[in-house]
This record gives sequence, C-alpha cells and structure tokens, in this order.
Amino acid sequence: TQLLEQSPQFLSIQEGENLTVYCNSSSVFSSLQWYRQEPGEGPVLLVTVVTGGEVKKLKRLTFQFGDARKDSSLHITAAQPGDTGLYLCAGGMNRDDKIIFGKGTRLHILP
Amino acid sequence: DAGITQSPRYKITETGRQVTLMCHQTWSHSYMFWYRQDLGHGLRLIYYSAAADITDKGEVSDGYVVSRSKTENFPLTLESATRSQTSVYFCASRVGPSSTGELFFGEGSRLTVL
Repeated sequence: TQLLEQSPQFLSIQEGENLTVYCNSSSVFSSLQWYRQEPGEGPVLLVTVVTGGEVKKLKRLTFQFGDARKDSSLHITAAQPGDTGLYLCAGGMNRDDKIIFGKGTRLHILP
Repeated sequence: DAGITQSPRYKITETGRQVTLMCHQTWSHSYMFWYRQDLGHGLRLIYYSAAADITDKGEVSDGYVVSRSKTENFPLTLESATRSQTSVYFCASRVGPSSTGELFFGEGSRLTVL
C-alpha cells in the first residue's frame, strides 16, 4: 500500500515554463518533507512543512501543505536545467518516528 | 567532516551468498535508517534504529538483518542474497525522533545479485 502518491511520475518541460508536482494521501501526516535527488547521490532535503495550509518559498520553488495535512504541492516558477532531478515527498505520522516516501517525480528541464 | 558514508559503493554477488553493507556516521545522530530504491517503487524502508541496540522493522524487512552495537555504525546484512534484492541501498541518519527532522543520506550502495 502506497501511502503517498506522487504525480506526475515523469515531467519534461522547456526552460522558463512553470510546473507543479503533487503529493497526495488518504492519511493525515504530522509533517511533509520534500527531497531532491540527483543521479548517483542520496536525496537532499529541500523543505519541511508542518502546519496545515502552510506555504514555504525557496527561491523559485513554492511548497504548500494542504489544510487537512493529507497533501502537498511543489510549484517551480521559470524552471531551469539545474532543476532537473528526482523530487521525493516524504511524510511523518504522529504515531511513530518513521518517514515514508512517495515514488517520486522525475523532472527534466530542456534548455 | 565525512558525515555519513556507505561501503561498498558497488557490489556484485551471487544468489545465496551473505552480503553486508556498511554505514557509518560521524554526527552521533541517534536515529539511523536503511532504505532501498527501485524503479517504480521509490524509497522503501527496510529497518531503522532509534539508538544503539534498538532496531525496528520497516515495510520490506524480510531477508535482511541489522545490528547497532555502536551509535555511529548501522550495518545491513543480506543473509542469503536473492535476485530480488538487487537494488540501490541508502543509509540515512537523523538527529532525533521527530519526523520533522532532516534525514541525511549517504551516497548509496548499488548491489547486484546474479
């Protein structure tokens, strides 16, 4: 059972375009994290959101946690080739200390 | 300032052999995790540890064994490797129990079971 569903699985767009990737669940999470992974490396944390409705910005990246804490989105404005990578959402639940990952969105920005 | 290191980075073995993947962290983080990453499945938790001598199963623990005699080390052993265990394995650490804490990952160990 996949608790966190990410969409789309793959996305290839031109440099300069905007995009949004989604992370959805039927479960409530106490926190949601977004990681980015480049080939041959481990994932690296981009952001953590903990409050329903929370919005965080990291330069051209905007992260939002759903009001009900069941979903999250990542919006990239004016995508650049350096944004290429695998984006993973990960959720933590109050009942334990584990982190569960979604399958990821593989993003490719064409120059 | 090594952080978290995994060894070996690449390993080829045969079905039925025992394999141990090593993970070492220099931060004294209490929590350590092992994940495997496969196409179509993302990162799946194998085992994790809250402290030395405390370990717990994740979602795909069958066929794997872990130990944590020292805070800084968290080896993962495949007792009798199978082809389905061909994967990239990532070790991670975290300061404490809070799920809001950042996971710090190693660079991964790519294991091929023939």
